Amino acid sequence: DVKVTQSSRYLVKRTGEKVFLECVQDMDHENMFWYRQDPGLGLRLIYFSYDVKMKEKGDIPEGYSVSREKKERFSLILESASTNQTSMYLCASSVQKSSGANVLTFGAGSRLTVL
Amino acid sequence: GNSVTQMEGPVTLSEEAFLTINCTYTATGYPSLFWYVQYPGEGLQLLLKATKADDKGSNKGFEATYRKETTSFHLEKGSVQVSDSAVYFCALSDYNTGGFKTIFGAGTRLFVKA
Repeated sequence: DVKVTQSSRYLVKRTGEKVFLECVQDMDHENMFWYRQDPGLGLRLIYFSYDVKMKEKGDIPEGYSVSREKKERFSLILESASTNQTSMYLCASSVQKSSGANVLTFGAGSRLTVL
Repeated sequence: GNSVTQMEGPVTLSEEAFLTINCTYTATGYPSLFWYVQYPGEGLQLLLKATKADDKGSNKGFEATYRKETTSFHLEKGSVQVSDSAVYFCALSDYNTGGFKTIFGAGTRLFVKA
């Protein structure tokens, strides 16, 4: 069974802490994505990556950075956590295709609370 | 830019009722359209998709037709079950620099009562 695994389901951090959210996929997918999910706003794209060591900003990159040193791993970094980053974070991956049927496989999510 | 708008929830139905969740989109290119579902405590999973105009996606009794003339992709099911209670997200995928990017609507929560 193919999987996207997010290392932490629940985290509680303090304002100003550095936070790492890890995501690993075992499907040999080229594309990886980080979204945050907030009630009434749906999913908003933070960063994505089409290849190792490359990254592209999504719609809300401010306050976040990412790292993709290996194909299977995509990390989201909050350099200095703030309370407005309290949210559910979802990682997803997809195979690189020339067509638009780019189906995403999601992890179970990481719920981050910043106090 | 591209956007997806779906009807606000929550939607509450009795078992065996007919379901419609409206979704409209704005896109500059020729996107693919999707419905994803999120069950409690889980990540999203694909429910169905359509890649071009007039395509119909279907799965588990759910259907949606890609209507380019009305820029819509409404989700329907003829007879809902309690197990269909979940949050439903409409999404589109379109080409972005280097590859395809997927954007989502706000989600519609469905409650089905026995």
